[in-house]
Amino acid sequence: DAGVIQSPRHEVTEMGQEVTLRCKPISGHDYLFWYRQTMMRGLELLIYFNNNVPIDDSGMPEDRFSAKMPNASFSTLKIQPSEPRDSAVYFCASSTLALRGEQYFGPGTRLTVT
Amino acid sequence: DAKTTQPTSMDCAEGRAANLPCNHSTISGNEYVYWYRQIHSQGPQYIIHGLKNNETNEMASLIITEDRKSSTLILPHATLRDTAVYYCIVSPTTGNQFYFGTGTSLTVIP
Repeated sequence: DAGVIQSPRHEVTEMGQEVTLRCKPISGHDYLFWYRQTMMRGLELLIYFNNNVPIDDSGMPEDRFSAKMPNASFSTLKIQPSEPRDSAVYFCASSTLALRGEQYFGPGTRLTVT
Repeated sequence: DAKTTQPTSMDCAEGRAANLPCNHSTISGNEYVYWYRQIHSQGPQYIIHGLKNNETNEMASLIITEDRKSSTLILPHATLRDTAVYYCIVSPTTGNQFYFGTGTSLTVIP
C-alpha cells in the first residue's frame, strides 16, 4: 500500500489566492483527518470525516477554510482567500475503527503564503 | 485541548533505554493512552496504545500506573533514529479525535 498520499508537497502562493490541498487516504480506511502544524500552535486537528461525512469541524479556524470528501478515496482542504498566517504544514491522516486509534499520516503539504 | 503533561525535552544515550513520562491525571474510564512520535519534517507515526494493562510491541513498551493517572513509554535500546518529538495522547475508545499537545523532544546522543 502506498500509504496516505498528499499533494502538493510544497505550495507557495500569494496572499488572497485560493489554495487547494489534496489527500488520498489508505484504501479501506473510513476515517479521514486534516491537521495543521505550526511552531506556535503545534499540531491541531482541523476537521475529520467518517464515511465521507464531516463529523467535527470545530477546529477549522474560520470561514475561509473548507473541506470536502466527495468519495472514499479523495478529500480536499481549501483556503480562500489565503493569508500569511495560514502558512503551516498541513497533514492528512486516515484510520478505521478496527485500528483503535492508530492513524496513518501522510507526508504533509508545506504551505507558504507570502 | 490536550489532557496530558509531558516534559519539554529529554536526552538519552544511544543503546540505553529511553523512559518518557506522561501525566494524565484527569483521564476518564473510557479513554486510552496513545503514543505517537514525529521525526523531523515527517508526519506523526503511531507507536503504541493501552487502556489499563501494560503493552509491548516491536517498537516500545507502555507502562500505565494502576490508577491510570500516568504512564511511561519505554524505548528499550534507543538509537539515533529515535530522535523525535514524542506525543502522549488520551482519547476515548474510538480514538478518533486527537489533541497532540507539545510533546517531549527526545534527543538520542551518540
